[in-house]
Amino acid sequence: SQQGEEDPQALSIQEGENATMNCSYKTSINNLQWYRQNSGRGLVHLILIRSNEREKHSGRLRVTLDTSKKSSSLLITASRAADTASYFCATDEGKLIFGQGTELSVKP
Amino acid sequence: GAVVSQHPSRVICKSGTSVKIECRSLDFQATTMFWYRQFPKQSLMLMATSNEGSKATYEQGVEKDKFLINHASLTLSTLTVTSAHPEDSSFYICSAPPGQKAKNIQYFGAGTRLSVL
Repeated sequence: SQQGEEDPQALSIQEGENATMNCSYKTSINNLQWYRQNSGRGLVHLILIRSNEREKHSGRLRVTLDTSKKSSSLLITASRAADTASYFCATDEGKLIFGQGTELSVKP
Repeated sequence: GAVVSQHPSRVICKSGTSVKIECRSLDFQATTMFWYRQFPKQSLMLMATSNEGSKATYEQGVEKDKFLINHASLTLSTLTVTSAHPEDSSFYICSAPPGQKAKNIQYFGAGTRLSVL
């Protein structure tokens, strides 16, 4: 079963611009995670934010979590062509339940 | 970091044959592994949780006789697609939590693209 929605489904930006992706979920969570998937490959873990955290940073990534709205956002700053990939949020319920994903295209 | 190896990366088979996909944790032990299925441009759908030494737990709607899972050791889980048909063509991905190495997160294999003719 899918946890929730991500938007936008697709995002196309120029190098150097920021990219923001949003994720909504339906149930109570212990933590929420963001993963990246290059085309035709497995997923790579990016960042985990716990339910008692509101914001977390890792390099050019910034994740926010609003448990009252059951939503999270992933911000990639100063995007690069190499950031082109699909990005998924996932809630941890003992097993990961993934959102629909956002396909990000960063044009050089 | 923890590495999960998945093999083969791509397989093409005739309808009616069975295909086995292996998922190995290379530098950690995994009592639990997960199998996902992904259609083009779509998200990952959890198929089953593979448990070392016991039966797999299948998600609702997943046929356990169709997708046989064996987790015979702490580093290997296999998914066998039995009597494959064209509708089984998909991208199959496994994952494993590295446990104490990195609590809560999952490490993924590179995936297996199955094409059934």
